[in-house]
Amino acid sequence: SQQGEEDPQALSIQEGENATMNCSYKTSINNLQWYRQNSGRGLVHLILIRSNEREKHSGRLRVTLDTSKKSSSLLITASRAADTASYFCATVRNAGNMLTFGGGTRLMVKP
Amino acid sequence: EAQVTQNPRYLITVTGKKLTVTCSQNMNHEYMSWYRQDPGLGLRQIYYSMNVEVTDKGDVPEGYKVSRKEKRNFPLILESPSPNQTSLYFCASSWSVNYGYTFGSGTRLTVV
Repeated sequence: SQQGEEDPQALSIQEGENATMNCSYKTSINNLQWYRQNSGRGLVHLILIRSNEREKHSGRLRVTLDTSKKSSSLLITASRAADTASYFCATVRNAGNMLTFGGGTRLMVKP
Repeated sequence: EAQVTQNPRYLITVTGKKLTVTCSQNMNHEYMSWYRQDPGLGLRQIYYSMNVEVTDKGDVPEGYKVSRKEKRNFPLILESPSPNQTSLYFCASSWSVNYGYTFGSGTRLTVV
């Protein structure tokens, strides 16, 4: 069962613009993770945010977590054509042993 | 190089012919997992293992078997493949479920 749901499902922007993707989930979590997948290839871990954290940065990535709203957002600043990929959020429930993925957002960055 | 290695990358097989997809990691990770990815359904967990000889079902375990006899290997076994198991399969490993996962490159399986 999918725990996280991403919004929007698809996003198209120009190079240099910022891209924001949102993720909502249903149950209390231990942590939330974001992954990138280039077409048909393996997923790459981007960032992990724990339930007691509100914001985290990694390079051009900024992730926020609002546990009261059960939602997270991923912001990619100054996007590049190479950022074109699908982005997935994934959650680990409290006391859980599984990482459950949402449906993903397909991001296209036009040069 | 730290990695998760899956084999084969591509496989076409016939219904009912047993097959094994291998997965190996060189990071001494405790946790390993198998996912399948299907259009419109996203990634769904098949099985996971928290340590040697410890395995548990994910969301879609029917028709699959796994084993974890050694820490580095976590093969996925399809005893009698059916066309609805045609999918893209990923193996992943991690120190624990509370750390980021390293994914393999995937195995595209077609069952005819």
